Amino acid sequence: KNEVEQSPQNLTAQEGEFITINCSYSVGISALHWLQQHPGGGIVSLFMLSSGKKKHGRLIATINIQEKHSSLHITASHPRDSAVYICAVRSMDYGGSQGNLIFGKGTKLSVKP
Amino acid sequence: GAGVSQSPSNKVTEKGKDVELRCDPISGHTALYWYRQSLGQGLEFLIYFQGNSAPDKSGLPSDRFSAERTGGSVSTLTIQRTQQEDSAVYLCASSPLQQTQYFGPGTRLLVL
Repeated sequence: KNEVEQSPQNLTAQEGEFITINCSYSVGISALHWLQQHPGGGIVSLFMLSSGKKKHGRLIATINIQEKHSSLHITASHPRDSAVYICAVRSMDYGGSQGNLIFGKGTKLSVKP
Repeated sequence: GAGVSQSPSNKVTEKGKDVELRCDPISGHTALYWYRQSLGQGLEFLIYFQGNSAPDKSGLPSDRFSAERTGGSVSTLTIQRTQQEDSAVYLCASSPLQQTQYFGPGTRLLVL
């Protein structure tokens, strides 16, 4: 079983729809990242969070430490949101290194006009 | 200011050759990370540098892989005796300590 699981693997939505991508993890973490990888391959860090909720524009990220679960929400989705969204956790179980991120396999989002 | 840059952007090499990949982090970022993304696969951690501390090499897949960071800035990832399974996009990221990581555009490596 992967330590970081994302769902769904693929998601197709119509422009304007509210989108939720889920991430569950099985290790103790000190932080969780949401990344966006564009079709050209470039990666942008969207959020880093360790508790609660963060909002940036139409994007909202939440985390529930007790349930080991995080969600990424996109409101009023747009075709330019089409990308792969990747969840990654910084585990506390790897000798204290701050660098060893464990990645989910990503959720491929396609937003149709 | 400039973001993270990597060079070359693409590299094609023959099996058995050595390759060097370069990463220029954002100025002032103390942390530098190397990741690998194989075709159709997820991201994989390789190595992490933080300031003057010993690097975390726990993600390096074999002793053919090594990396160094000179002067706390530029980093070079070296792959010796490349194999076809080394073909991947190699990504570098930098950050202030324990802050959001900024990714470079990656180096696409193809080993023939």
